[in-house]
Amino acid sequence: QKEVEQDPGPLSVPEGAIVSLNCTYSNSAFQYFMWYRQYSRKGPELLMYTYSSGNKEDGRFTAQVDKSSKYISLFIRDSQPSDSATYLCAMSGRGNQFYFGTGTSLTVIP
Amino acid sequence: SAVISQKPSRDICQRGTSLTIQCQVDSQVTMMFWYRQQPGQSLTLIATANQGSEATYESGFVIDKFPISRPNLTFSTLTVSNMSPEDSSIYLCSASGGGIYEQYFGPGTRLTVT
Repeated sequence: QKEVEQDPGPLSVPEGAIVSLNCTYSNSAFQYFMWYRQYSRKGPELLMYTYSSGNKEDGRFTAQVDKSSKYISLFIRDSQPSDSATYLCAMSGRGNQFYFGTGTSLTVIP
Repeated sequence: SAVISQKPSRDICQRGTSLTIQCQVDSQVTMMFWYRQQPGQSLTLIATANQGSEATYESGFVIDKFPISRPNLTFSTLTVSNMSPEDSSIYLCSASGGGIYEQYFGPGTRLTVT
């Protein structure tokens, strides 16, 4: 079983839609949960991070962590064409190693 | 956040040769990492580049194949040695200077081995 599972998509939505991106994980020791956005031919860019369970909001983006279900989500409100990218979840425990999902490809259609 | 640059951005190399990738950070950082990213797969950590000491390699990666240097707190190199077509991938450098969640990535080096 992989440490982190993420649906690769692709996901295609109309502009203005609410987007839900999700990851599941198996290691209960994970405490830090990150979301990265990666544009084509660019490196991943840190969007948000959450420590332990709960929600965190930053503008149009909301990250949720449910440790009891080992499930994390990223919601994008009022999606824009500029949000078209691959979104990677990442997790970490006490060590420095990050465990990444495979990424979900998102296209927002104008 | 840290700004990270990598050189070269891309290269096409012949089988059996070696390529050294450079990673430069705009500020001093505690940790630097090297990843490989292949299409449809998650980022795979190759090694942690330790300043002033040998790199720490992950399972499946060895120093002879991927020698790493880190002479100071802002710079690191990764060499891909004796390349084969299976080494074709994107190689990413990342750095972390603060909290464990703070890992910032360079733009990547796209390597094709023919």
